[in-house]
Amino acid sequence: AQSVTQLGSHVSVSEGALVLLRCNYSSSVPPYLFWYVQYPNQGLQLLLKYTTGATLVKGINGFEAEFKKSETSFHLTKPSAHMSDAAEYFCAVSETTSGTYKYIFGTGTRLKVLA
Amino acid sequence: ETGVTQSPTHLIKTRGQQVTLRCSSQSGHNTVSWYQQALGQGPQFIFQYYREEENGRGNFPPRFSGLQFPNYSSELNVNALELDDSALYLCASSLTTNTYNEQFFGPGTRLTVL
Repeated sequence: AQSVTQLGSHVSVSEGALVLLRCNYSSSVPPYLFWYVQYPNQGLQLLLKYTTGATLVKGINGFEAEFKKSETSFHLTKPSAHMSDAAEYFCAVSETTSGTYKYIFGTGTRLKVLA
Repeated sequence: ETGVTQSPTHLIKTRGQQVTLRCSSQSGHNTVSWYQQALGQGPQFIFQYYREEENGRGNFPPRFSGLQFPNYSSELNVNALELDDSALYLCASSLTTNTYNEQFFGPGTRLTVL
């Protein structure tokens, strides 16, 4: 079974500073990888996804992530944090087992942006 | 194009009761998946419905059951509610069951069991 590990359940950055949220996955097949953001009391919003092709993926709100197969990583970055980026971020990998297609999520990283 | 919708948004029940949560999939999507997100955790897969049939299940007991209707909307039913069932329940729809089809999530239903 595949799994996702997000290092750091809480990350604090200053406004304007670099955001780096870490995600490592385990997969026996080429993975499809996703980053979602969740604001308080809301559902999941897709930030970006990697399926095939270019390993540097650009998403919404200035976020991007790089798929590194050799490191089994898919870290999320943003050059300059904004107060509105404060939220919980989830990394996920898609898995198909016996015809069932599901997402495996990490435990999430709560991002705090300091003024 | 209407996205995934869920009802109700919030629900409070007591232990032992039964609850039904509803989900309308995005237009054209025939696959619906349900996830449970406990407080401070990532979403966990409950089960998936494809063309009105259950198409796989996660590690959840049989008191979690579901339905999918001909219009591909879906229900999640939970019997004999326990305190640990308190969570955000997320519904996601996708075009098919293929891995490359993105799952689109609804806003969720927050269930509180007292």
